[in-house]
Amino acid sequence: DIVMTQSPDSLAVSLGERATINCKSSQSILFRSNSKSYIAWYQQKPGQPPKRLIYWASTRESGVPDRFSGSGSGTDFTLTISSLQAEDVAVYYCHQYYTTPQAFGQGTKLEIK
Amino acid sequence: QVQLKESGPGLVKPSETLSLICSVSGVSIGSGGYYWSWIRQPPGKGLEWIGHIYYSRDADHNPSLQSRISISVDTSKNHFSLSLSSMTAADTAVYFCARDTITHGLDVWGQGTTVIVSS
Repeated sequence: DIVMTQSPDSLAVSLGERATINCKSSQSILFRSNSKSYIAWYQQKPGQPPKRLIYWASTRESGVPDRFSGSGSGTDFTLTISSLQAEDVAVYYCHQYYTTPQAFGQGTKLEIK
Repeated sequence: QVQLKESGPGLVKPSETLSLICSVSGVSIGSGGYYWSWIRQPPGKGLEWIGHIYYSRDADHNPSLQSRISISVDTSKNHFSLSLSSMTAADTAVYFCARDTITHGLDVWGQGTTVIVSS
């Protein structure tokens, strides 16, 4: 089974500053036929379901602000928020859907410093 | 627009079987193109993938729950179901259903339903 490991577990960033969350998969999740990494990033606020931000490692969901970006390939991935806004306070999860059982990272709690 | 809504008992006794339904609107499960998923989240913890099903195929399950789980689909009612037997306190969680795009992750989620296991 593929294990997804996020770092850090929690992060405090000043408003307007950059936030970076990392995710490492225990095996490659690169789908060779289309050269896409099958990883998504979600944002979850208290009392709400997760909301997909990014899929294919770097493709932003429609309507998601462009301060959110994803990068990486193979086994190492990053979610970056270029200029933190107050409404970005949430828990962020990576998710591999390359194979079953699908798996989520343990989550990264993002707060305002 | 596509909407998913979970329903089921909020309280289950230990050793009993949990049955949840996810009602889908805005798209026909029988049209194919998507898997239909269950995910859960224990209080204060992260997300756990339970399993998913395609309307015309067998379900895939998390091996950690393999012997206790059953996922089925009813295309006539446009819903899919989760059955989890031998419930314990460790199964207390918010249970979400979601649409799995296969290639783009989980794009639509239900609001979730809280299930507490207690006598």
